[in-house]
Amino acid sequence: EAGVAQSPRYKIIEKRQSVAFWCNPISGHATLYWYQQILGQGPKLLIQFQNNGVVDDSQLPKDRFSAERLKGVDSTLKIQPAKLEDSAVYLCASSSTGKEPPFFGQGTRLTVV
Amino acid sequence: DQQVKQNSPSLSVQEGRISILNCDYTNSMFDYFLWYKKYPAEGPTFLISISSIKDKNEDGRFTVFLNKSAKHLSLHIVPSQPGDSAVYFCAANSGGSNYKLTFGKGTLLTVNP
Repeated sequence: EAGVAQSPRYKIIEKRQSVAFWCNPISGHATLYWYQQILGQGPKLLIQFQNNGVVDDSQLPKDRFSAERLKGVDSTLKIQPAKLEDSAVYLCASSSTGKEPPFFGQGTRLTVV
Repeated sequence: DQQVKQNSPSLSVQEGRISILNCDYTNSMFDYFLWYKKYPAEGPTFLISISSIKDKNEDGRFTVFLNKSAKHLSLHIVPSQPGDSAVYFCAANSGGSNYKLTFGKGTLLTVNP
């Protein structure tokens, strides 16, 4: 069974630029999560989708972050404009129904300089 | 305001001995607790969980203990193996049957041969 796929693996951008991350969850998984993991911290939930609807985005900085899951499968997370403090690993995770522990992808490491 | 705390950034044990990783929480509404394991350059992998109505759950070499009155849980690994060397994250669920996880900062376990 293929796992959660994320791309790119690494990204370096200058502050005030924009960036987008892509996630393809495990096939058939209805629930998709985006987490932010800053160095030395645990993952922090940014947004949770159930199919293509948002379940929870209470911790998403909506002035600069946006996410979509248009067809209930793939998802993109965008940051515009990026700040230095956005440097982190962005983890995508998925689960079958949202009622089980999520499976995580390898993450995208973002460095903002 | 950290609701899930892992106060030991690192732990080093000898192969064959017991590893004990600790986690404290402050939110009484957490109803399910999980441990994830993370190798470098990989996403976290679910390891074991425990419901708040239980005080122990065992899976092979891994046992999780929950002390609700103390708001404390621990993960025991017996016997420890070099392949267990990884970062271990404690996570707590506040979303009921709809998983919403809060993670601790993690503990780096090193098992020496």
